[in-house]
Amino acid sequence: GQNIDQPTEMTATEGAIVQINCTYQTSGFNGLFWYQQHAGEAPTFLSYNVLDGLEEKGRFSSFLSRSKGYSYLLLKELQMKDSASYLCAVLILTGGGNKLTFGTGTQLKVEL
Amino acid sequence: GAGVSQSPSNKVTEKGKDVELRCDPISGHTALYWYRQSLGQGLEFLIYFQGNSAPDKSGLPSDRFSAERTGGSVSTLTIQRTQQEDSAVYLCASSLVSYSEAFFGQGTRLTVV
Repeated sequence: GQNIDQPTEMTATEGAIVQINCTYQTSGFNGLFWYQQHAGEAPTFLSYNVLDGLEEKGRFSSFLSRSKGYSYLLLKELQMKDSASYLCAVLILTGGGNKLTFGTGTQLKVEL
Repeated sequence: GAGVSQSPSNKVTEKGKDVELRCDPISGHTALYWYRQSLGQGLEFLIYFQGNSAPDKSGLPSDRFSAERTGGSVSTLTIQRTQQEDSAVYLCASSLVSYSEAFFGQGTRLTVV
């Protein structure tokens, strides 16, 4: 089976930096995605890591360590609109292709 | 279409009735997923279609749930004899290939009364 863990909630201040961690235990690991989901809306893609290291995209960066089963999403210069749920999702290689499995998500609240 | 389309957007049904939820993926996308999300919870995997391969049905919670994908495009999720615990938002997503980013529809909010 697979296990994907994230903190349930985090709070941060506008303008600050926040790091959201994700740990996973799974066989057939084939990559890790981060998605953002605002309340009442569909998830939207943020980042994808398949090799170890840091991927940077504007204010958002994502890091992966395959040997440690660990990833984080780093959000810089936080804005109020960044208040949302952040979902870590692992791509698992199966006989029929790649299956995308989500963690329970981290609810981020950005305060003034 | 420009994105993943799901219908209906909202469905209220009586306990014991059958419901069908529809997903129109982005044209040309070979992978299609169904997820279920209860209020304040994460995405629960239900079923995954990849091209012409047999679907991965490992997430379907009971034999009341079934799904098909016709012609490698439109998919229908059917829930028979609905129960109150089936109430949730049902999300469909598609991706160009199985290892590329998934695009989500707006979901169908199912309420069983």
